Amino acid sequence: RKEVEQDPGPFNVPEGATVAFNCTYSNSASQSFFWYRQDCRKEPKLLMSVYSSGNEDGRFTAQLNRASQYISLLIRDSKLSDSATYLCVVNSPGKLIFGQGTELSVKP
Amino acid sequence: GAVVSQHPSRVICKSGTSVKIECRSLDFQATTMFWYRQFPKKSLMLMATSNEGSKATYEQGVEKDKFLINHASLTLSTLTVTSAHPEDSSFYICSAHERGLNTEAFFGQGTRLTVV
Repeated sequence: RKEVEQDPGPFNVPEGATVAFNCTYSNSASQSFFWYRQDCRKEPKLLMSVYSSGNEDGRFTAQLNRASQYISLLIRDSKLSDSATYLCVVNSPGKLIFGQGTELSVKP
Repeated sequence: GAVVSQHPSRVICKSGTSVKIECRSLDFQATTMFWYRQFPKKSLMLMATSNEGSKATYEQGVEKDKFLINHASLTLSTLTVTSAHPEDSSFYICSAHERGLNTEAFFGQGTRLTVV
């Protein structure tokens, strides 16, 4: 079993849609959690950290369920510029483990 | 945010030659840097953890004699792919944390290596 698993993609959605990404992790000792965004042939960039209480940044909402070892990312009112690969990242103590990524394509 | 600079961004080399990739933290000191490899449509796979002033820690399955890592200063880590072969062709990317592993990782721009 992979340490971090994400929904397989790609997700193809129209502009304005709401889309949800899911992620599970296997190491219960994991300490911190993130969503990164990676554009084609570019380096990953932090989208948001994920906290137990849940956190929101504009159209983006991230949630963490430690008991279920589950992380989610919700994107509301999708924009064309949201098209990218979204990486679930877990700090498995001492190193970051990346999920395989979920590709999102937002169409006009 | 903090800046990590990676060089070169793209390199093509012949089989059997060695290639050095540099990763610099421009505005902070990084005692630890990380080296990843990414195949097309795949996620980042951690290759090794580079520690300033000491030996790198390699992940299982990564040949330390093949992928030489040197972290001689608090702002520079290098990855040398020795005796490169076509199967070493990949996207290599480094990262560092300005304030510890529980905070944002800053990535270099990545190096696309093609071995012909």
